[in-house]
Amino acid sequence: EPEVTQTPSHQVTQMGQEVILRCVPISNHLYFYWYRQILGQKVEFLVSFYNNEISEKSEIFDDQFSVERPDGSNFTLKIRSTKLEDSAMYFCASSEEGPPLHFGNGTRLTVT
Amino acid sequence: GEDVEQSLFLSVREGDSSVINCTYTDSSSTYLYWYKQEPGAGLQLLTYIFSNMDMKQDQRLTVLLNKKDKHLSLRIADTQTGDSAIYFCADLNKGTYKYIFGTGTRLKVLA
Repeated sequence: EPEVTQTPSHQVTQMGQEVILRCVPISNHLYFYWYRQILGQKVEFLVSFYNNEISEKSEIFDDQFSVERPDGSNFTLKIRSTKLEDSAMYFCASSEEGPPLHFGNGTRLTVT
Repeated sequence: GEDVEQSLFLSVREGDSSVINCTYTDSSSTYLYWYKQEPGAGLQLLTYIFSNMDMKQDQRLTVLLNKKDKHLSLRIADTQTGDSAIYFCADLNKGTYKYIFGTGTRLKVLA
């Protein structure tokens, strides 16, 4: 069964550094999402992306964050200057025209 | 704003039934979902129910929806040790297609 893949599985970075989290959505899916889960907290919506543009973003998704679909297969989340509070599990998801969302296994980001 | 609440822990004996409960506030929900998260893994879609249904059965899983009380439950029959995981309830907002997740219920199955 096709699946969403995310790399790396774990990323450690220093505060202030830029990170790029990568995702390969399911090939025929049109909608792409990033969610995050801070340890012990709820899974939170960050951003949705459709037709090469952001369709919705949450309050969390400030100017430090950006998303891109650079080549028609990858979907990336960039954090420009990481903060300690960005440490979380980041989940990529994709869907066809509508729900349900199919999630990847996540990238654990640790900011030191 | 919209919110989804779940109890944090549930412990059952192997072979018993598990019932995981969820309440939500969004009155414009179209679908409600159950996801399973095993340690170190992603969110695996288990099942979902459309908001105009009361019940959905899928093998060992039974989803019950009380739309009036905004209460959703997931029943796992004959619970096995492999069912030990965190179970997330998620509400899909009709207008935005944005999921609102609960805190997750950690199910522990005792042998």
